[in-house]
Amino acid sequence: QKEVEQNSGPLSVPEGAIASLNCTYSDRGSQSFFWYRQYSGKSPELIMFIYSNGDKEDGRFTAQLNKASQYVSLLIRDSQPSDSATYLCAVNPRDDKIIFGKGTRLHILP
Amino acid sequence: DTAVSQTPKYLVTQMGNDKSIKCEQNLGHDTMYWYKQDSKKFLKIMFSYNNKELIINETVPNRFSPKSPDKAHLNLHINSLELGDSAVYFCASSFNGDNQPQHFGDGTRLSIL
Repeated sequence: QKEVEQNSGPLSVPEGAIASLNCTYSDRGSQSFFWYRQYSGKSPELIMFIYSNGDKEDGRFTAQLNKASQYVSLLIRDSQPSDSATYLCAVNPRDDKIIFGKGTRLHILP
Repeated sequence: DTAVSQTPKYLVTQMGNDKSIKCEQNLGHDTMYWYKQDSKKFLKIMFSYNNKELIINETVPNRFSPKSPDKAHLNLHINSLELGDSAVYFCASSFNGDNQPQHFGDGTRLSIL
């Protein structure tokens, strides 16, 4: 059974600090990795995707991928109260459907 | 506006009834999906259609039947609704290919009385 694991949280981070969200996956052949943000009562919204090992930066967000260790992480710099949400990691295994993790609840403390 | 739109937003109905949820996307995507998100917020894929053809059909009761009249529309019909069907149902779409991100509709909150 292919799995995507995330710590459910809540992860509490002071405003202005770096929030670090982690995700591990079981299928070594996975090709594509996505981070979605979901506010309470709203739909998932894509914020980052990464395909290659290393870091990918977009504004305050950095996605990090390590295929050898089978983990992908999301860093949020200068955390704001508006970043408080559930963050879903999604992984596309080779020749299979996308799998979502159960999400990590992030709470930014003002 | 370009978007994935689904109707209705809320659906409250009695056990045993039959209901439908509609989804439309005007993003030019080839692939559309239905997801179920339960009370624990776990998002699980139910069906996927690529250009009107069913390509993913997860272990879902056959009371759930998707229909795709064209590649911009994917509807979900549910027969004989049960209490356990209460959830938020999300439609999503993407371009074809495993590395394509998905764009989600606003969801339909289904409550079974």
